Amino acid sequence: QVQLQESGPGRVKSSETLSLTCTVSGGSISRYYWTWIRQPPGKGLEWIGYISYSGSTKYNPSLKSRVTVSVDTSNNQFSLKLSSVTAADTAVYYCARERGGSYGMDVWGQGTTVTVSS
Amino acid sequence: DIQLTQSPSFLSASIGDRVTFTCRASQDISSYLAWYQQRPGKAPKLLIYAASTLQSGVPSRFSGSGSGTEFTLTISSLQPEDFATYYCQQLNGYPYTFGQGTKLQIK
Repeated sequence: QVQLQESGPGRVKSSETLSLTCTVSGGSISRYYWTWIRQPPGKGLEWIGYISYSGSTKYNPSLKSRVTVSVDTSNNQFSLKLSSVTAADTAVYYCARERGGSYGMDVWGQGTTVTVSS
Repeated sequence: DIQLTQSPSFLSASIGDRVTFTCRASQDISSYLAWYQQRPGKAPKLLIYAASTLQSGVPSRFSGSGSGTEFTLTISSLQPEDFATYYCQQLNGYPYTFGQGTKLQIK
């Protein structure tokens, strides 16, 4: 079955760029919508955005000016870049698959903790 | 943004109890609603999509209902592994948003 695995630095300095990669195994990335979601410590879930199988993107307006999601179909990976980070960006970052419409996010990575330090 | 309000925020219940959570949307989202379960330190798990469709592999004691602005998630007979936090999510409009969660605790 499809599995997702996040990777990237666990610590980023304030004002720098957070970069994470999600590797998709057991299935092709050339279908569906590939999503990033985050969860600050002790808080709820926030949808960051997605990239579709066709390469189109949608971002949360609260982050839009700082976020980029891209896809590398040759390596079955998609990535998140979040620029100008602050302590408020400290969170567990999850990648997930969305099938579109009202199907929800049916496959999730285990999550990776990113701490923004000064 | 579409706001989702979950109630209650906390719920204490016993093994075997029937429990119901509510999720209210700030505007009509038709049936574009999903429910997730999150255990501590784990990723969320999809339980219900399209408001009432059980995700493959999810036990039948979970059920969802509703449309428009009011939705419910029901667990018919609580099992020990059900004590977790539950989130609703709307997929009707961007940005997708989540409710603040309901934490289900053992009484």
